[in-house]
Amino acid sequence: SAVISQKPSRDICQRGTSLTIQCQVDSQVTMMFWYRQQPGQSLTLIATANQGSEATYESGFVIDKFPISRPNLTFSTLTVSNMSPEDSSIYLCSAATGTETYEQYFGPGTRLTVT
Amino acid sequence: ILNVEQSPQSLHVQEGDSTNFTCSFPSSNFYALHWYRWETAKSPEALFVMTLNGDEKKKGRISATLNTKEGYSYLYIKGSQPEDSATYLCALPGNTPLVFGKGTRLSVIA
Repeated sequence: SAVISQKPSRDICQRGTSLTIQCQVDSQVTMMFWYRQQPGQSLTLIATANQGSEATYESGFVIDKFPISRPNLTFSTLTVSNMSPEDSSIYLCSAATGTETYEQYFGPGTRLTVT
Repeated sequence: ILNVEQSPQSLHVQEGDSTNFTCSFPSSNFYALHWYRWETAKSPEALFVMTLNGDEKKKGRISATLNTKEGYSYLYIKGSQPEDSATYLCALPGNTPLVFGKGTRLSVIA
């Protein structure tokens, strides 16, 4: 299993600013992901964070808006850039160990409100 | 695009009532189905990973069944308690990371 922590847990930001969310896993993991949940919507995958290389973004998400870093096997950051009220969401970090039975673990989320 | 549907969207039950909700998914190319419980301000917690048609899994008062041929899974909660109040998420692997339904938000009223 993997225990994931995120910070900050919540923030209120002004439009046009940027926020960086940090994700720390207590063990080395194969894969790390970033999701968001907008109000009333599914948990939606933003990107897969690749160690030492550019993240792989899902359709509708771009690097300029959501730059991601993953410098090692236990840590990743997601930046929400040039924020607008539509970015108000819960952002979750996730990790998978890639063993025989695929299991995905989640952090507690960062609740972002953009005013 | 993998489409995972959950119903109902929300549910209010009295303490002690039993309840169930549904996850529907495409029956072709099925690999596995995951159920999570997500309480506010906490990490989503894995409940079950189900892979075989006809599978039934149980964890305390919570159980789940799987029908891969018709593309659905049921989650049952027996004798609901206030601490069962949470959003219950169903997910299937896409290419690799999980693709989620919108969840069923359960509120158990004491």
